[in-house]
Order: sequence, then C-alpha cells, then structure tokens
Amino acid sequence: DVKVTQSSRYLVKRTGEKVFLECVQDMDHENMFWYRQDPGLGLRLIYFSYDVKMKEKGDIPEGYSVSREKKERFSLILESASTNQTSMYLCASLRTGGNQPQHFGDGTRLSIL
Amino acid sequence: AQSVTQPDIHITVSEGASLELRCNYSYGATPYLFWYVQSPGQGLQLLLKYFSGDTLVQGIKGFEAEFKRSQSSFNLRKPSVHWSDAAEYFCAVAPGSGGGADGLTFGKGTHLIIQP
Repeated sequence: DVKVTQSSRYLVKRTGEKVFLECVQDMDHENMFWYRQDPGLGLRLIYFSYDVKMKEKGDIPEGYSVSREKKERFSLILESASTNQTSMYLCASLRTGGNQPQHFGDGTRLSIL
Repeated sequence: AQSVTQPDIHITVSEGASLELRCNYSYGATPYLFWYVQSPGQGLQLLLKYFSGDTLVQGIKGFEAEFKRSQSSFNLRKPSVHWSDAAEYFCAVAPGSGGGADGLTFGKGTHLIIQP
C-alpha cells in the first residue's frame, strides 16, 4: 500500500514565523500535491510538483512556497505565517500514467496564533 | 476550468436505510471522477473512481457510483448504511487527459450523519 506521511498531525505557530510542513511518500511517485481544507470550502490546491525540482502553482498559492529536492519529499513553506493560514493541510502523491488515484496523508492541522 | 457541486451540505440517514449523495461536475470532456471519504481527524480515503468503461462503479465498504454523462453527475449510493459510515464525503474531478497530475478539483463536501 502507498504510504504518504506528514511529519506533524498538529502544529501551533506564531504570526510571522516561517513554517515548514513536510510530506514523504514511499512509492516512488512522480507527482506530489499540497491542498488546504477549510470547513465549507472543501479542498483547494496550493502547489503541485511533477518531478524533483519542479513546481507548479495551484489555485491558491499566495503566501506559500514549496520545495522538492528529493523525489519522495515535498515541503510546503509558509514564508511569514498569518492567522488566515490556520487550516488543515493535506499532502497527496500520484503515479504518472496507469489510471491511478491520488493517495493522501492524514493531514496536518496548523494553528497560527 | 472544471468545477464540482455537492448540493447537500448535510444529510441525515437512519441506520439501515439507503443512501444517495449527489455530485455534479462541469467539464468539457469526460473527466476522471472520484469519491473520497474522510473520518474525523483523518486524511482522505478513496472509495471509488471512474476513468472509463462501465458507468456503474463498485467501491469499498459497499459503495457504488454511477456516471451519467447526460446529467454530468456521479452520484454515490449505498443500499444500507452503518453507523461507521458517518463521515465527510468528497466528490472530485480531474481532466481525463492528465489523470490528476495537475491536481484534483473537489466539491465542498457532504457531511453524513447516521441516526440510530
């Protein structure tokens, strides 16, 4: 089974801090994704990556950046955290081709105080 | 751009009763379609998917969904719900050409409550 692991289930940070959310997958998937989930809004795509060193903006990239230095790891960075970034963050991975679904991690609930 | 509509924010069903959760999408071509379930405090688990072929798709936990191109719908059904089915359900769509490599577009979710 595919395993997508997010390093923290819960995280509390302060306004203005630089925050790193880490995600690791163990199935050599080419594609990785970061979504945020808010009540009543569903999941919205922040950034995604087709391969190492590559990144693409999703629907709501403002205030975020990403890093993919290794194939298995995809990091989401909040350069200067703000209270409106308090949310649940979900990472996913996908194998290119072959009609496969995205596989999700358990999420990181981030609170910015 | 594609969009997904889940018209029901909350649905309450008695245990043992049948269930149908609605999903409508807007996309020019035939998309890839998914239903995911999320239990409280958990990530998303795939229930079923449609890529092509038979329009009636079977999934895990006794769920099924039917793709109706003429209605742009992909409704989720279960003949008899169990208390453990209480959760948040998300419908999602991806362009058929990319298979989801550009990300999924999700509906806002339907919260399912099971009455004893």
